[in-house]
Amino acid sequence: KAGVTQTPRYLIKTRGQQVTLSCSPISGHRSVSWYQQTPGQGLQFLFEYFSETQRNKGNFPGRFSGRQFSNSRSEMNVSTLELGDSALYLCASSLSGTGGTMNTEAFFGQGTRLTVV
Amino acid sequence: AQRVTQPEKLLSVFKGAPVELKCNYSYSGSPELFWYVQYSRQRLQLLLRHISRESIKGFTADLNKGETSFHLKKPFAQEEDSAMYYCALTSFTGGGNKLTFGTGTQLKVEL
Repeated sequence: KAGVTQTPRYLIKTRGQQVTLSCSPISGHRSVSWYQQTPGQGLQFLFEYFSETQRNKGNFPGRFSGRQFSNSRSEMNVSTLELGDSALYLCASSLSGTGGTMNTEAFFGQGTRLTVV
Repeated sequence: AQRVTQPEKLLSVFKGAPVELKCNYSYSGSPELFWYVQYSRQRLQLLLRHISRESIKGFTADLNKGETSFHLKKPFAQEEDSAMYYCALTSFTGGGNKLTFGTGTQLKVEL
């Protein structure tokens, strides 16, 4: 079956602009999580959505937001971009993420490389 | 709060030598631990999970709750093992789950 798909793969934006990233999870997966990956901070959790509801949020400013649609596809939005937002943004999907140990395996997309200039 | 520590940024070994990638964690509940691997130009993928107690590509990892460790081991390193390895912990908070990653260890297997 198709893996997690993220679009676009690469983005260049100017400081102050906003950006929307998209993630299509594996069919049947209801949990979608977003992570920011940078050389300095590594992989950091942004938020998790399950059945269109945000269940968990990391320590990022309110400029970072997301949503999930009824088909489990998810979007992430970053407003008022800063140079420090340049990173690889990863999306991961899992079956449920409700705590059942066999359902929490996360499958990652290729990521969207965001460069803010 | 949960925390995952990987003390080595880079580990260089010769082909055929044993490999041990260290991982220590801090978590107040019962942890679910994973090792993820990222090969060059490929997506992050699950290598193994402590629940399964399986060996994948010759790698094993044992959860030691007393030492709060989950070290990844392989008896004989292969060139194709060269990659970035991340130890991760799942925590269930607010009804949802999230993965907390270590900073990763770059494994380089030299001929």
